[in-house]
Amino acid sequence: IAGITQAPTSQILAAGRRMTLRCTQDMRHNAMYWYRQDLGLGLRLIHYSNTAGTTGKGEVPDGYSVSRANTDDFPLTLASAVPSQTSVYFCASSDSAGGGANEQFFGPGTRLTVL
Amino acid sequence: GQNIDQPTEMTATEGAIVQINCTYQTSGFNGLFWYQQHAGEAPTFLSYNVLDGLEEKGRFSSFLSRSKGYSYLLLKELQMKDSASYLCAVTSGDYKLSFGAGTTVTVRA
Repeated sequence: IAGITQAPTSQILAAGRRMTLRCTQDMRHNAMYWYRQDLGLGLRLIHYSNTAGTTGKGEVPDGYSVSRANTDDFPLTLASAVPSQTSVYFCASSDSAGGGANEQFFGPGTRLTVL
Repeated sequence: GQNIDQPTEMTATEGAIVQINCTYQTSGFNGLFWYQQHAGEAPTFLSYNVLDGLEEKGRFSSFLSRSKGYSYLLLKELQMKDSASYLCAVTSGDYKLSFGAGTTVTVRA
């Protein structure tokens, strides 16, 4: 693989269920991010990780959790899904968390519908 | 938090020029990015500005004025494949990206 992959591509989920969105990158980037994208609101940061073993909260962290056990993987978990979590979720990575033109590379996204 | 404003939609003719403006208010500033996003796809990097002035990359140019909290993305010689959303994003003091809602550009023949 090259770049960032996300799984699943799309999912329909019943409210109250637990769901983990997977994200894997092979660029050895230190920093990884999870965003949700909703019409009219743009991309909003959910959680981030500056390096393996550390995580932080973004703009809209409630109802989501993340872990960063290694450099490559950054799963996002919805412990008990609610309809307001219906969105398109993008994972991204960058070479480092700060300084310079550290562009973020985005995965293809996961379209999640919570009923 | 950040406040980033850009127009919702713009329409232009193939071969023309379109300028997408972005204004921002941010606590701390560490650069401004423009991304392109085609419908149903992931955003892809277009440009980065951290100093005032114009950065040119082929048909695309990006301008920044830090004192005015203003940037624009200029798309020249528009092609049908340029129909997409263009996202303005600002890195604040903690180096996190904050995105505007995006500008959808429609190129007509």
